[in-house]
Amino acid sequence: QKEVEQNSGPLSVPEGAIASLNCTYSDRGSQSFFWYRQYSGKSPELIMFIYSNGDKEDGRFTAQLNKASQYVSLLIRDSQPSDSATYLCAVILYSSASKIIFGSGTRLSIRP
Amino acid sequence: GAVVSQHPSWVICKSGTSVKIECRSLDFQATTMFWYRQFPKQSLMLMATSNEGSKATYEQGVEKDKFLINHASLTLSTLTVTSAHPEDSSFYICSAAGQGEQETQYFGPGTRLLVL
Repeated sequence: QKEVEQNSGPLSVPEGAIASLNCTYSDRGSQSFFWYRQYSGKSPELIMFIYSNGDKEDGRFTAQLNKASQYVSLLIRDSQPSDSATYLCAVILYSSASKIIFGSGTRLSIRP
Repeated sequence: GAVVSQHPSWVICKSGTSVKIECRSLDFQATTMFWYRQFPKQSLMLMATSNEGSKATYEQGVEKDKFLINHASLTLSTLTVTSAHPEDSSFYICSAAGQGEQETQYFGPGTRLLVL
């Protein structure tokens, strides 16, 4: 089992709809969770971080964390073509001595 | 805030030469810097972790003598690819994490290396 798992996609969502990206992690003791966006040929940029169970909202983005089920998700409301990118889930695993572990990313495509 | 720069943004060199890439945290002190490599259509691969003033910790399979890392200050880390070969051609990205913010990593814009 991978430490951080994401569906590679591509996930295709119509413009204006909600895009839902999911990520599961293996280490139950993990405390810090991040979502990064990476456009093709560019480096990742931080979208959100979340540490506590529940939802965290920032503009059109909502991160959801469920530690009991070991998953973290990212919702993008009112999806725009500019949201088309690869989304990387990252987790600081309790067992990894503070090393951040990245998932392989989910490719999201917003169709006009 | 939390801006990380990298220089150069791209470099083309002949096989056998050494290439130095700089990573700077511009508006915060980075206690830890990370170096990643990414091949086309593949995931980020962590190469090494460096803390200011101490030796870098390399990931399994990464040659420390080929990829020299120096973290001389809280705002600067350098990666030197020694005797570069075409298979070293890749996208090299650094990230920096400061104190607080529970170790959030901020990425530099990356350096694209092409070895001929």
